[in-house]
Amino acid sequence: QSALTQPASVSGSPGQSITISCTGTSSDVGGYNYVSWYQQHTDKVPKLLMYDVDKRPSGVSSRFSGSKSGNTASLTISGLQAEDEADYYCSSYTTSSTLVFGGGTKLTVL
Amino acid sequence: EVQLEQSGGGLVQPGGSLRLSCAVSGFSFRNFAMSWVRQAPGKGLEWVSVISGSAGLIYYADSVKGRFTVSRDNSKNILYLQMNSLRADDTAVYYCAKDSVKIVLLTAGFDSWGQGALVTVSS
Repeated sequence: QSALTQPASVSGSPGQSITISCTGTSSDVGGYNYVSWYQQHTDKVPKLLMYDVDKRPSGVSSRFSGSKSGNTASLTISGLQAEDEADYYCSSYTTSSTLVFGGGTKLTVL
Repeated sequence: EVQLEQSGGGLVQPGGSLRLSCAVSGFSFRNFAMSWVRQAPGKGLEWVSVISGSAGLIYYADSVKGRFTVSRDNSKNILYLQMNSLRADDTAVYYCAKDSVKIVLLTAGFDSWGQGALVTVSS
């Protein structure tokens, strides 16, 4: 199972919006609405930001939103804040009943 | 409060074995699937294995199939990962992780994670 494709890095200034893409295939992202997103600060445990493409767990800021079109899912962060600087990972359920992660995207807040 | 307390990491020689444990509390363990996820130094997340609440469904990533075995003891609230025939590329921090929704497997994300256990495979 190949990793989902994410941009290696994105950046934005405080207050701006950024979008991170996550591209898979019809066997994973395109086949199910079971895409999740995680935020991982340096040397910290991953935190669930989004599940089922666009559902936010309790306690996650509404500045985070998710969407999907075809084989590509996206995470948008609006009103960028310094604390958003972290690594972001998408994941998707697959037709093999397994899970595949994206390679990760490093977000830099300028 | 949900807690996942990991133990069992360490240094092992290539070809060796190691068992990781993940003791949980704060939720009904038997009702949730549990996964192992690993992260090699400086690299991204890689899903390793999942076990359903009843242990009736188990799946593995191709990279560990035939070498790793996941199990759970619902009477003790402990998740295990037995790792055999370890290779250098198995070196990683291993996390146990809890499915966010009861009964389902892998579809709704992991809402709680252990603190991680470093496994280093080296001679």
